[in-house]
Amino acid sequence: NAGVTQTPKFQVLKTGQSMTLQCAQDMNHNSMYWYRQDPGMGLRLIYYSASEGTTDKGEVPNGYNVSRLNKREFSLRLESAAPSQTSVYFCASSEGAGALDTQYFGPGTRLTVL
Amino acid sequence: EDQVTQSPEALRLQEGESSSLNCSYTVSGLRGLFWYRQDPGKGPEFLFTLYSAGEEKEKERLKATLTKKESFLHITAPKPEDSATYLCAVRWIVNEKLTFGTGTRLTIIP
Repeated sequence: NAGVTQTPKFQVLKTGQSMTLQCAQDMNHNSMYWYRQDPGMGLRLIYYSASEGTTDKGEVPNGYNVSRLNKREFSLRLESAAPSQTSVYFCASSEGAGALDTQYFGPGTRLTVL
Repeated sequence: EDQVTQSPEALRLQEGESSSLNCSYTVSGLRGLFWYRQDPGKGPEFLFTLYSAGEEKEKERLKATLTKKESFLHITAPKPEDSATYLCAVRWIVNEKLTFGTGTRLTIIP
């Protein structure tokens, strides 16, 4: 039981390049999330998917797109990377999107944009 | 604006020296408070959920408590393996948004 997995672990991009971060969960959870973590700031929600087939913006969605490919997989795409998107990205999942559903996190992707 | 503040930012303790970490939040209505542990280079690992004032949860050397305006994570007789950053997150009643604090970096010195 791997939980939440993310690929790649590390990535370096040049400004303007695009890439997709992949996330998969094997806990049969309905809801999935993408966060970014920057020094001195709490985790901030980029996008989430309450259930298969739905996606919604979080606190900091600009510059990102997402796809809920199926119940297991939720990808995050940067169409034209900018240095401000240098961060550590975490995917999380929860059984539901209810207020008291616990979110379980993946190991993260460390992204540097030059 | 709803805020979550954790203190101290960093804490160094000798092995066996008990202490507490604080998570305070603006009193606009809490649905739940979550504690996570995060090791360097890894994702947050879930520890506890607290729902109402007066509630307590325990796991090994950790005990989390909740009042109407703050939560404490008490660490009793810590060991070096307890070194990590501890995050708290609050789910608000009004919009059910989950807001994370910036964490307390705990170092236990052997």
